[in-house]
Amino acid sequence: AAGVIQSPRHLIKEKRETATLKCYPIPRHDTVYWYQQGPGQDPQFLISFYEKMQSDKGSIPDRFSAQQFSDYHSELNMSSLELGDSALYFCASSSVSSYNSPLHFGNGTRLTVT
Amino acid sequence: GQSLEQPSEVTAVEGAIVQINCTYQTSGFYGLSWYQQHDGGAPTFLSYNALDGLEETGRFSSFLSRSDSYGYLLLQELQMKDSASYFCAVRDQGNQGGKLIFGQGTELSVKP
Repeated sequence: AAGVIQSPRHLIKEKRETATLKCYPIPRHDTVYWYQQGPGQDPQFLISFYEKMQSDKGSIPDRFSAQQFSDYHSELNMSSLELGDSALYFCASSSVSSYNSPLHFGNGTRLTVT
Repeated sequence: GQSLEQPSEVTAVEGAIVQINCTYQTSGFYGLSWYQQHDGGAPTFLSYNALDGLEETGRFSSFLSRSDSYGYLLLQELQMKDSASYFCAVRDQGNQGGKLIFGQGTELSVKP
C-alpha cells in the first residue's frame, strides 16, 4: 500500500540558511500534519492542513511556513535556520472522515543545522 | 489543554507481558491512541480506544477507562523486536484536522 513519502531523508544546512521539506500524503487522504521531534522527545505538532487549507497551528516559529498544494503535497519551509532546529521532521496524513482515523507517518527528514 | 503522563522507561524479558500506563487530562475527549516508534523510525499506529474496555489486536491490547482518564497498552509474548518507544496520544478536537497530542513516550527494552 502507498505510504507517506517525505524528501529528503537527510538534510544538512548551516545556520541562517533555508530548508524546504516535502511531503506526499497517502492518496485520498485529506489532512496533512507536520511534527518536529528532538532526540528522546515526543513529536511536537507544528501545523496541519485540511483540504489544502491550514486547519491548526502549534508551536511553529515565525521563521517556518508551510502550505499544501493543489495535488495535496505539502512543503515546510524553514528560514534563518538555528542550531536548535536540528531534529527529525515528520509529515503524517489521515482521512478524517471520523475522528478516530489514525495518522500515517512518513519516514521523516533528519535536519542537521551546523 | 491536553497533557498525558506515561512512564519514561520499562524493561522486560522476552516472552513476558508488560503494561504501559497512560493518564491524561483533556478539555474534550476524542479517544486514546497508541503509537510505536523504533529508534530513528516513524511512529506507527497500534491501537485506538474511544469507549471503555479492552481492544485486542494480536499480541497487543489497549484498555481505556474514561472515568479514570486512564488507559494502558498491554504487550504479550514480548519479542526483541518490540524494543521501541511507545506513545499514548489524544486528539485535541473532534473535527477535521484535529491534531494528535503525544505523551512523552515510554522506552521499552526487551532483554533476552
